[in-house]
Amino acid sequence: AQSVTQLDSQVPVFEEAPVELRCNYSSSVSVYLFWYVQYPNQGLQLLLKYLSGSTLVESINGFEAEFNKSQTSFHLRKPSVHISDTAEYFCAVSTNAGGTSYGKLTFGQGTILTVHP
Amino acid sequence: SAVISQKPSRDICQRGTSLTIQCQVDSQVTMMFWYRQQPGQSLTLIATANQGSEATYESGFVIDKFPISRPNLTFSTLTVSNMSPEDSSIYLCSARDSGANVLTFGAGSRLTVL
Repeated sequence: AQSVTQLDSQVPVFEEAPVELRCNYSSSVSVYLFWYVQYPNQGLQLLLKYLSGSTLVESINGFEAEFNKSQTSFHLRKPSVHISDTAEYFCAVSTNAGGTSYGKLTFGQGTILTVHP
Repeated sequence: SAVISQKPSRDICQRGTSLTIQCQVDSQVTMMFWYRQQPGQSLTLIATANQGSEATYESGFVIDKFPISRPNLTFSTLTVSNMSPEDSSIYLCSARDSGANVLTFGAGSRLTVL
């Protein structure tokens, strides 16, 4: 079974400052990793994913995450945040093995990012 | 990626009643799932909706409380039965495209039980 730990429940930051949202996972098999974003009163949207290949993945709105297998981490970063980045961010993991866990996502507890002017 | 429509988007229900949430996908998908997001918490998987057979429930969830149907590859329903205030949550439908490794989510159904 997999588990995900998001180390910060809330992260306040000023506009144009850098931010890092931390995510660690635990799994006995190879995994796929995801970051989803949930804007206030909206549904869940995929922000970026790591499936294979380059360990550094980027989103279209300036976020990036790096898969670190040795540290079992998938931290999300942005060098300069905007007010519009205020949202809740969820790290999630799924297994790329077969069996009963196939296709399912296990989510972390979420990190609320609040960007202040 | 698939586009998922859920309805109702929100509802207020009385204790002891049941509500059925519908999930429609704009393309055929291999796997569909139902998640619950309780207030201030993360998402928890309720069950995998299997096409043409009984759903597969996660630990802590049972068919009598959360009956699920999936009559075809584009549609599923989740019923929340005999509701109590503890069932107040957002219920989300998700789908996985054939050959893809990404889950797409509906906007969710926000349920309040009084």
